[in-house]
Amino acid sequence: DSGVTQTPKHLITATGQRVTLRCSPRSGDLSVYWYQQSLDQGLQFLIQYYNGEERAKGNILERFSAQQFPDLHSELNLSSLELGDSALYFCASSVDSGKETQYFGPGTRLLVL
Amino acid sequence: GIQVEQSPPDLILQEGANSTLRCNFSDSVNNLQWFHQNPWGQLINLFYIPSGTKQNGRLSATTVATERYSLLYISSSQTTDSGVYFCAVERSDMRFGAGTRLTVKP
Repeated sequence: DSGVTQTPKHLITATGQRVTLRCSPRSGDLSVYWYQQSLDQGLQFLIQYYNGEERAKGNILERFSAQQFPDLHSELNLSSLELGDSALYFCASSVDSGKETQYFGPGTRLLVL
Repeated sequence: GIQVEQSPPDLILQEGANSTLRCNFSDSVNNLQWFHQNPWGQLINLFYIPSGTKQNGRLSATTVATERYSLLYISSSQTTDSGVYFCAVERSDMRFGAGTRLTVKP
C-alpha cells in the first residue's frame, strides 16, 4: 500500500458528462501529480500541484481541470467526456516538488460509453 | 517534442536470468525516471536518474545523458519482476516511452 488513495476505483459514464476524480496524498506529501494511461496514448503526465499551486502542466486537455485543496487532497475534473477519455487515471504524491520518489495510487478506471 | 524509445518491447526470461532494458531519447533532458507497472496495474517509481548510476537491490540504472540513453539492469530476475517497465524524461514537459513488457517464468 503506497499510502495514496484514489476514489472512485471504477467509473462508468456517458459521453458529454462530467466526472470528478479524487486523490488523497500520503501524509506529509505536498506534491500531487495526475497521469492518464490509455491504450491509444500510453502513459501521459497531465498536471502537478505543489502545496495548492499548479507547478507543472503536461498534456492536459482544456476540458480537464484540477485543483489541490488546503488539506492537500486533489481533484481532477473531466468534462464534456468523449469515448477517447476512457482510461486509467493515476494520482501520485511526493514530499516536495523536486526529484523525489513519487508514490502512486491504485488508479481510477474511467469508462465512457 | 522529445521522442522516447524503449527496447525491447517484449522480453521473456527464465527466473534467475539477468536483463538489460534500454531507453533512448532524442534531446537533452533535465530528468529521467524509471517506473515499474506490475500485472495488477500498480505503478512504482524505481529511479530518478538524470545522469550517473544508481542501485537498489537487484535493480540498477545508468543514464548517459551526453549520449541520450539510459539502461535498467535487472539481475537474478524473479517472477515478481514481471510487468511493464517505463522510462520517462523531462524537458519542457514529461514524456513516457511505450514500455518494455517483461515476463519472468518460473
